[in-house]
Amino acid sequence: AQSVTQPDIHITVSEGASLELRCNYSYGATPYLFWYVQSPGQGLQLLLKYFSGDTLVQGIKGFEAEFKRSQSSFNLRKPSVHWSDAAEYFCAVGAGDSWGKFQFGAGTQVVVTP
Amino acid sequence: TAGITQAPTSQILAAGRSMTLRCTQDMRHNAMYWYRQDLGLGLRLIHYSNTAGTTGKGEVPDGYSVSRANTDDFPLTLASAVPSQTSVYFCASSAGQPNSPLHFGNGTRLTVT
Repeated sequence: AQSVTQPDIHITVSEGASLELRCNYSYGATPYLFWYVQSPGQGLQLLLKYFSGDTLVQGIKGFEAEFKRSQSSFNLRKPSVHWSDAAEYFCAVGAGDSWGKFQFGAGTQVVVTP
Repeated sequence: TAGITQAPTSQILAAGRSMTLRCTQDMRHNAMYWYRQDLGLGLRLIHYSNTAGTTGKGEVPDGYSVSRANTDDFPLTLASAVPSQTSVYFCASSAGQPNSPLHFGNGTRLTVT
């Protein structure tokens, strides 16, 4: 079965600084990988997804993520964060043999300071 | 605006009582899901439905039941609530392909006392 680990529970970053959120997965074949963002009191919104092709994927709100098979990672990055990026971020993995039943990481809370 | 509607937004429920959380989608998605979100645990799948008329168990199904009488509605029922079911519940849908992302409702915050 697939699993997802987000090593960082909480990250504080200054506005304008770069941000990288880590995600490691465990799955035997090529997984389907997703990043979601959750603002307070809201549901989760899809930032980007990867399932094949170019390993660097672009998403909404200026985010990108890179799939590295050798490291079983799918880290999320943003070159310059804005105060509105303060939220909780979730990495999720899906698999071809259990489609639709996604496994989510525990989430990373991002705080943006002035 | 197209999407998923969940009701109620929040609820306080006495232990032992029953409750149904409602979920309706207007995207004509085949697949629907119920997740619970707990601090430090992320989202865990309770039940899912790949298409109308079928349902399946997720990671944490005990104490919950679902039905899928039609494409749009996917209610979640707690027959006899317990305090450990205090959580935020999210309904989601997808087009039903392996790489289809989930679309989420805004959640129901349930407190069982």
